[in-house]
Amino acid sequence: GIQVEQSPPDLILQEGANSTLRCNFSDSVNNLQWFHQNPWGQLINLFYIPSGTKQNGRLSATTVATERYSLLYISSSQTTDSGVYFCAGRDSGAGSYQLTFGKGTKLSVIP
Amino acid sequence: DSGVTQTPKHLITATGQRVTLRCSPRSGDLSVYWYQQSLDQGLQFLIQYYNGEERAKGNILERFSAQQFPDLHSELNLSSLELGDSALYFCASSVSWSNQPQHFGDGTRLSIL
Repeated sequence: GIQVEQSPPDLILQEGANSTLRCNFSDSVNNLQWFHQNPWGQLINLFYIPSGTKQNGRLSATTVATERYSLLYISSSQTTDSGVYFCAGRDSGAGSYQLTFGKGTKLSVIP
Repeated sequence: DSGVTQTPKHLITATGQRVTLRCSPRSGDLSVYWYQQSLDQGLQFLIQYYNGEERAKGNILERFSAQQFPDLHSELNLSSLELGDSALYFCASSVSWSNQPQHFGDGTRLSIL
């Protein structure tokens, strides 16, 4: 099956700091998405980013499909950014569209 | 708000029982996916339906079944429940076959006592 690996597994930041989360994926992965799971368990769609760069406020993401990685940047972090960040992708060789998730990066932003 | 509605939000039941989780996809989305998030297995795909027909199966137990109705809402049925079935169950939807993002509901938290 396809592989989706995230790093680091845990990250602690002081409020106001910047961070970069990384997602490495195997060759046949596409349809990459980034999610934020908040402390209440809700899974919030951050970016759909098969390739290129997108920005949404303090968050931005870049996917370099040819090198099989994606990065999520969080600038000027806030305590509300705490939670688990997941990347997920689809197996382009399969006949269906289910997502395979990485194990996540747990982010804790402290005041 | 993703536009995907899941009910109930929380469910507490006992071992051996049967429950039904419900999902209404975003307006216009024909594909529905079910995922399970447990502490030891992470987020795993269970099953996908497209326009009423089963399209793909993942790590879904034989005790679990699902269907998608003509109005496109979907139900996930879990029977002979075990302690290990305690998890957060997510439904997601997407437009169709094209490369489009999946949008997730808020999940149903199932606790087996």
